[in-house]
Amino acid sequence: NAGVTQTPKFQVLKTGQSMTLQCAQDMNHNSMYWYRQDPGMGLRLIYYSASEGTTDKGEVPNGYNVSRLNKREFSLRLESAAPSQTSVYFCASSEVGGPTEAFFGQGTRLTVV
Amino acid sequence: RKEVEQDPGPFNVPEGATVAFNCTYSNSASQSFFWYRQDCRKEPKLLMSVYSSGNEDGRFTAQLNRASQYISLLIRDSKLSDSATYLCVVATDSWGKLQFGAGTQVVVTP
Repeated sequence: NAGVTQTPKFQVLKTGQSMTLQCAQDMNHNSMYWYRQDPGMGLRLIYYSASEGTTDKGEVPNGYNVSRLNKREFSLRLESAAPSQTSVYFCASSEVGGPTEAFFGQGTRLTVV
Repeated sequence: RKEVEQDPGPFNVPEGATVAFNCTYSNSASQSFFWYRQDCRKEPKLLMSVYSSGNEDGRFTAQLNRASQYISLLIRDSKLSDSATYLCVVATDSWGKLQFGAGTQVVVTP
């Protein structure tokens, strides 16, 4: 049982390049999330999807777009990467119907130069 | 003001000792509370949920004080393997959107 799988694990981008972070979960969860983690800031919610077909902005959505491709997959796209987007990105999923445990992927370490 | 605030530490704890730390939250309508553990450069994992009456899980005890809007975590008989960052997590929506604190680092020394 893989849980939540993120790809890639590491990425270096040049300023202005675009890329998509992929996330898939095999736990049949309805809710999926994208967080970024910066030193001293904790995890900040970028976007979330409460169910297939819906997405909503979180705390720091600027510069990102998301797609809930199906129940399993939730991707995060950087259209024009900036150095301020250098961070560790985590995808997570949880069951719907009230606050429950969130399961995280292993993270993507992104550096924008 | 951050919605969830934690003392970043580090809390340096001798092996076998007890350590406790708090987390404060700003939204009085917060509904659920958790402690997550994060090892260096790894993903966060649920340590325990925090219930209104307080709860224990082995050497770990969590407390919730709604009146003062804080939760606490106490670790007894600390082990070297307890060295990690402990994230305070608060759910402010009914469907479970989670707000994370920046974490409290605990370092257990021999």
